[in-house]
Amino acid sequence: EPEVTQTPSHQVTQMGQEVILRCVPISNHLYFYWYRQILGQKVEFLVSFYNNEISEKSEIFDDQFSVERPDGSNFTLKIRSTKLEDSAMYFCASSESGGITEAFFGQGTRLTVV
Amino acid sequence: QKEVEQNSGPLSVPEGAIASLNCTYSDRVSQSFFWYRQYSGKSPELIMSIYSNGDKEDGRFTAQLNKASQYVSLLIRDSQPSDSATYLCAASPSNTGKLIFGQGTTLQVKP
Repeated sequence: EPEVTQTPSHQVTQMGQEVILRCVPISNHLYFYWYRQILGQKVEFLVSFYNNEISEKSEIFDDQFSVERPDGSNFTLKIRSTKLEDSAMYFCASSESGGITEAFFGQGTRLTVV
Repeated sequence: QKEVEQNSGPLSVPEGAIASLNCTYSDRVSQSFFWYRQYSGKSPELIMSIYSNGDKEDGRFTAQLNKASQYVSLLIRDSQPSDSATYLCAASPSNTGKLIFGQGTTLQVKP
């Protein structure tokens, strides 16, 4: 069964460093997303991406964050100048289309900023 | 502010019983609703989607949607200990596919 894959599963970084989280969405899906979940809190939407551009982003997704689809399979989230409060699980998801469609999540990357 | 609200629980039911999970949403624009299951430390796993008023059944799961009341529910019949998890309700308020999640309801199924 097709699945969304994320790497790495766990990333530890020092405060102020840049990290890149990687995702391979399901191959025939056209919409890609990043969400985060701080320990004990809700899953929060960060950004949606379609046709090589951001289609919607949340207030959390400020200039510290960027997304890219560098090739036909990967979808990345870059976090610049990481802060302690960026520590969270980051989930990539993909769907066939936007709106009335089902999104499938990857297994997540646990980011720990020390 | 678009919100999805759930009772955080825990909801405790005996094995074999029906578990009823509820969710309300504030944004009348939302047309698509989803139930995800999340085990501790794992990612959300899609269980059900529902787009129209009424009931939708899939195996032991039934999702119910009432757009007039802005209410979504999930019934789990014949609950099993393996159903013990946090159940997340999500609404999709736009055609970008963005999901707004509730805080989740923790379900405990006791053998």
